[in-house]
Amino acid sequence: EVQLVESGGGLVQPGRSLKLSCLASGFTFSNYGMNWIRQAPGKGLEWVASISSSSSYIYYADTVKGRFTISRDNAKNTLYLQMTSLRSEDTALYYCARRTVALYYWGQGVMVTVSS
Amino acid sequence: DVVLTQTPVAQPVTLGDQASISCRSSQSLVHSNGNTYLEWYLQKPGQSPQLLIYKVSNRFSGVPDRFIGSGSGSDFTLKISRVEPEDLGVYYCFQATHDPFTFGSGTKLEIK
Repeated sequence: EVQLVESGGGLVQPGRSLKLSCLASGFTFSNYGMNWIRQAPGKGLEWVASISSSSSYIYYADTVKGRFTISRDNAKNTLYLQMTSLRSEDTALYYCARRTVALYYWGQGVMVTVSS
Repeated sequence: DVVLTQTPVAQPVTLGDQASISCRSSQSLVHSNGNTYLEWYLQKPGQSPQLLIYKVSNRFSGVPDRFIGSGSGSDFTLKISRVEPEDLGVYYCFQATHDPFTFGSGTKLEIK
C-alpha cells in the first residue's frame, strides 16, 4: 500500500525557517516524481514545487521561488521542503504527492503556521 | 503563468441529477510532446484531494464511469452523472503542461 507521511510542521515566526519531510513507503520511491502542494485555511489548493525521480528537474511556484527548496533522498525514501524567509501567507496545510502522469497519491498533510 | 478559471464557484445539485463543471485555461494546455496534462481532483470534507481524471479524459483506477472528462486546447469540462452523496465536495482542475503548474480555484458541489 502506498503511504506518504508528512512531518516537520508547526508554529514558526515570520522570517524564520522550517524543513518539512515526507516519508514514502509501499512503492519504489526512486522511480517517481514528487510534488508539494499547500492549502491555506479555508482556501483552495496551490501547487508549490515539483522534483523528478533523479532530482534532474525541479520547478517552483512563483510565490515560493528563491525561498523554498525541494529535495529528496532516494536512499531514505524521503522528500523534503526547506522553507526559509517564511511569511504569514505561507501558513497552510502542506501535502506531498506522488506524480506519474498525475498526482496519484497524496499524504494527509502537515500544518505550518507562520505567526509571531 | 497559466490561469485556470473554473465555473461555477458552487454547483447546487439534486441527488441523481447531472452536474457539469467548466475549466478554461488562459493558454493552450497541449504540451510539446502532444499530451494535454489537464487533471481533475475531488477534495471531500476533511480529506486530502483525490485524483479523478488525468490527461483530460482518463479515469483513475476505481473512479466510477459516472465521471466523464472532456475538452481540448484550453476548454475542459467535468461531467458527473447521477450525482451520489459521496460525490459532494470541492472539485479542482489542475494543469501540469506549463511551468509553474497551477490549480483552478475550485467548484463546490453541494446539495440543492
